Amino acid sequence: KQEVTQIPAALSVPEGENLVLNCSFTDSAIYNLQWFRQDPGKGLTSLLLIQSSQREQTSGRLNASLDKSSGRSTLYIAASQPGDSATYLCAVIDSWGKLQFGAGTQVVVTP
Amino acid sequence: GAVVSQHPSWVICKSGTSVKIECRSLDFQATTMFWYRQFPKQSLMLMATSNEGSKATYEQGVEKDKFLINHASLTLSTLTVTSAHPEDSSFYICSARLAVNTEAFFGQGTRLTVV
Repeated sequence: KQEVTQIPAALSVPEGENLVLNCSFTDSAIYNLQWFRQDPGKGLTSLLLIQSSQREQTSGRLNASLDKSSGRSTLYIAASQPGDSATYLCAVIDSWGKLQFGAGTQVVVTP
Repeated sequence: GAVVSQHPSWVICKSGTSVKIECRSLDFQATTMFWYRQFPKQSLMLMATSNEGSKATYEQGVEKDKFLINHASLTLSTLTVTSAHPEDSSFYICSARLAVNTEAFFGQGTRLTVV
């Protein structure tokens, strides 16, 4: 059974620092992996989708890497801003298209 | 990215009544829609998967007679919580995608409170 773990559960950094968020999964037979952002009481905003054949994806200040063999993905956010404060969720996607989520990392960026 | 609209964003209902939540894909045709439930400070738990024109597939432990899902068109899926009870109070979120290898986009969520 697939298990998705995100470490740390919470993170607080001063503005300008780079953020490193980790996601690990137990079954490497995933189809894709997707990173999301969730603001309090809101839905999810898709950040990056990494297909299983890819090793990384980049969008602006965001970079996500994927190492299927070791069951890990890392989301990097460069030069963090207070507006980056949110909960970040990773989800592994199986061949049926089902997403299984980690518990998330709550990020606070202080001015 | 694509837009998925969920309505209502919040609803309060009396115990024993039914509540319908709508999920629409606004600018693409969603062959598959997913319904999730999220408890406070917890991650999303998949409730069911619905494909247009066919019956929904429910995850283990989810009561299909309580959570009725209808995916009548490629742009609309509905979740009806029947005979709601206070323990059904939660945040419900829908997701839609065009195909297996494409991004999943999420609605804004619906906060359901049963009193």
